[in-house]
Formats: sequence, C-alpha cells, structure tokens
Amino acid sequence: AQKITQTQPGMFVQEKEAVTLDCTYDTSDPSYGLFWYKQPSSGEMIFLIYQGSYDQQNATEGRYSLNFQKARKSANLVISASQLGDSAMYFCAMRVGLTGGTSYGKLTFGQGTILTVHP
Amino acid sequence: DVKVTQSSRYLVKRTGEKVFLECVQDMDHENMFWYRQDPGLGLRLIYFSYDVKMKEKGDIPEGYSVSREKKERFSLILESASTNQTSMYLCASSLVRYSGYTFGSGTRLTVV
Repeated sequence: AQKITQTQPGMFVQEKEAVTLDCTYDTSDPSYGLFWYKQPSSGEMIFLIYQGSYDQQNATEGRYSLNFQKARKSANLVISASQLGDSAMYFCAMRVGLTGGTSYGKLTFGQGTILTVHP
Repeated sequence: DVKVTQSSRYLVKRTGEKVFLECVQDMDHENMFWYRQDPGLGLRLIYFSYDVKMKEKGDIPEGYSVSREKKERFSLILESASTNQTSMYLCASSLVRYSGYTFGSGTRLTVV
C-alpha cells in the first residue's frame, strides 16, 4: 500500500523568505510520480510541481522546487521568496503503477500543511 | 481553458436523504475521481472510474455509490445521508493514468 506523510500541520514564514514543506512517502513500486498541490481558502486545488521516480534532476517550476531524495523517500517542496498569496494549504501526493498495473492512476494524498506567510 | 465543474458549491441536506453530487469535465478525460477532504486527514479516495459505465472502489466507498453513464459526467450518490458524511467533496479527472489531475472547485456538503 502507498502512504504519504506530511508531518507539519502548520508552518509560518516571513514574506520574501524561503520555506520548506516536508513530505515523505512509502511505496514498493519502483515507478511512481510525486505531486504538490496548493489549495487556497477558495477551495480549488492548484497543481504546482511534479517529480517522476526516474527523473535525474529535481523538478523546478518558477519559485517552486522539489527536493527529491529517493533513498530517504522524501519529496520536500521548497518555495523561494514567499509571497502573501502563498498562504494556503499544501498537499503532497503520489501516484504509482505508472508503467503498468491496475492502479488506474490513483493519487494518494498526505494530510496537508497550512502555510501562513507574514508580511 | 479546461474545466471540471461541480454543480453545487454548498449543499445542506437532511439525514436520510438521497444526495447527488454532479461533476462534469470538458476535456474528454477517461479517468474521473471522487475524493472527500477532512481536516487532518487530507483527501481520501471514495470511487473512481476509468471508462464509461466502469467504476472502482477507492479507500472509503462505504455509504456511497457512483454513476458514469457518459464520459464527461461522474456522479457521486449518498444513498442515505448521515452526519458523518458532512465534508468537502472534490471531483477530479485525468487523461490517462500517468498524467496530472484537474480538480473541480469542490462541494461543501453539510448533513443535518
């Protein structure tokens, strides 16, 4: 079975500083993908960044980067130069069975981390 | 712009009522999913569908059923609503199993 763990229920950061949101995962499938989503107070889920298990380099998307440490099974999200608009809930998620199997692409989510950016 | 639309943003229903949550996507995606979101628990998969008239149980299917008569529409049904089904319900779709999800805006259901 797959599991995603986010151990930080809440995080605070000063505007313009960097912040790291932790995510660890557990799967025996060698082929998987890791996702980060942002959920503002309005409720919609916004895709931020994706890392495949066979990707050689850490993923980056603008101010977002994913610190992927495969041996430690961690996929931390780093947000650089935080902005007030970054205040939201952040979810880490994993999808397995990318090269076969019957998972049909189910995403397993962590519990989420609420990030608050202070001015 | 691609979209997943959930018919209601907020819904209040009485215990024992049969409740329908509707989800429509305009992207011709094969896969559709229903999740519920609760504080401290993240998102948990209720049901998913990978084709018309096909459905698979997720992690917490008890008390729910689904219907997918057309590719673009995936309905979640609460057969007899109970107060422990008060939650945020999120619908999502994806093109194939290894692509990202597109989510709807969510339906906040309160059962009284």
